Amino acid sequence: GAVVSQHPSRVICKSGTSVKIECRSLDFQATTMFWYRQFPKKSLMLMATSNEGSKATYEQGVEKDKFLINHASLTLSTLTVTSAHPEDSSFYICSAKPAGARRLEQFFGPGTRLTVL
Amino acid sequence: DQQVKQNSPSLSVQEGRISILNCDYTNSMFDYFLWYKKYPAEGPTFLISISSIKDKNEDGRFTVFLNKSAKHLSLHIVPSQPGDSAVYFCAVSTGTASKLTFGTGTRLQVTL
Repeated sequence: GAVVSQHPSRVICKSGTSVKIECRSLDFQATTMFWYRQFPKKSLMLMATSNEGSKATYEQGVEKDKFLINHASLTLSTLTVTSAHPEDSSFYICSAKPAGARRLEQFFGPGTRLTVL
Repeated sequence: DQQVKQNSPSLSVQEGRISILNCDYTNSMFDYFLWYKKYPAEGPTFLISISSIKDKNEDGRFTVFLNKSAKHLSLHIVPSQPGDSAVYFCAVSTGTASKLTFGTGTRLQVTL
């Protein structure tokens, strides 16, 4: 149990286009989902926390209009990178916290590698 | 400003020996500490955790030690197995938040 999927696993896009990444909890309901970004040889940096049905909370320095997060259901959250530029190229990982879970319990997706040309 | 550091980017250990992975943090308000393991093309998976009221937690081959005065935690794996080869991240949290702050990771290679 506790499987989180991400789609796509890898995406290449042209500069200026928008890219949507999906994060799904396959066998549980997630009241909270987290979006992380990982640069090469760096740590996972939390970008935002999304709660189902409410606006996402963004970390300092993360542009809300650049990284649109929607958590429309208890099993799906999406991250849209708008007007992508080469500096947005990175590895994006989501995690999902099951309803009723302990405070720090979260399950991670396999990640999405975004390359912006 | 990296609040959580893993100063060794890589570590190579022979099968059967002990692997020791280290993690240093700067904020004394952190009160819960976790270790995650990550294989290529997969998300991190939870390994073991410890709260600030303890200094040791053991689960099978894995033991986490916490030294609050030094703001240092370590993960011991003994005996190390080839399947332990992965990237290990420490993560910290504080208060009632669900937010995790991750270290930079250490790539462990267990050789035959």
